[in-house]
Amino acid sequence: DTGVSQDPRHKITKRGQNVTFRCDPISEHNRLYWYRQTLGQGPEFLTYFQNEAQLEKSRLLSDRFSAERPKGSFSTLEIQRTEQGDSAMYLCASSLGQGANEKLFFGSGTQLSVL
Amino acid sequence: LAKTTQPISMDSYEGQEVNITCSHNNIATNDYITWYQQFPSQGPRFIIQGYKTKVTNEVASLFIPADRKSSTLSLPRVSLSDTAVYYCLVAFYNQGGKLIFGQGTELSVKP
Repeated sequence: DTGVSQDPRHKITKRGQNVTFRCDPISEHNRLYWYRQTLGQGPEFLTYFQNEAQLEKSRLLSDRFSAERPKGSFSTLEIQRTEQGDSAMYLCASSLGQGANEKLFFGSGTQLSVL
Repeated sequence: LAKTTQPISMDSYEGQEVNITCSHNNIATNDYITWYQQFPSQGPRFIIQGYKTKVTNEVASLFIPADRKSSTLSLPRVSLSDTAVYYCLVAFYNQGGKLIFGQGTELSVKP
């Protein structure tokens, strides 16, 4: 399967701990997105990369969140000093970034539970 | 801020055709309309994309009127497995092109 891969699928942590998630996009895709989704809501945009460059970060995103895509391939999303409000599904998506007709391909997500 | 609007929920029965309409009044000339499907505990999955008139694939049809201020996703002869949340997205390319999801339409198909 050459789809978008996310690891881990589930993460349980205690409040105050740091967590890191990994996303491996489809290999030829140059754009990579991170979204967060809570129950009953649509995915909320967090940030996105064009190759290794982080082009935009949501203003709603706390400075406890940081994302990297060091070689323009896989990406990591780190949350420092986790809070219970960080509990959500974290989704990664990639695309060819063709422009207005962009199509996103999503991974299965990482479900984070902060106790 | 430009956005899309769609019904929160819809109910249907197996074998019926389901039409979900999305409004996007501020769509720009270059923007495409894309629909995604999401099952519980999975990421959204691309269904169909269009720019104008009608697009059809093996899963659905997408109808877009001439003014492009709305679009309708049509699912023919739905089955129980079509129970999911459906999202209408417009890239709003003049706002940076990132894809913003709304709340989606929760479709429930009953036997």
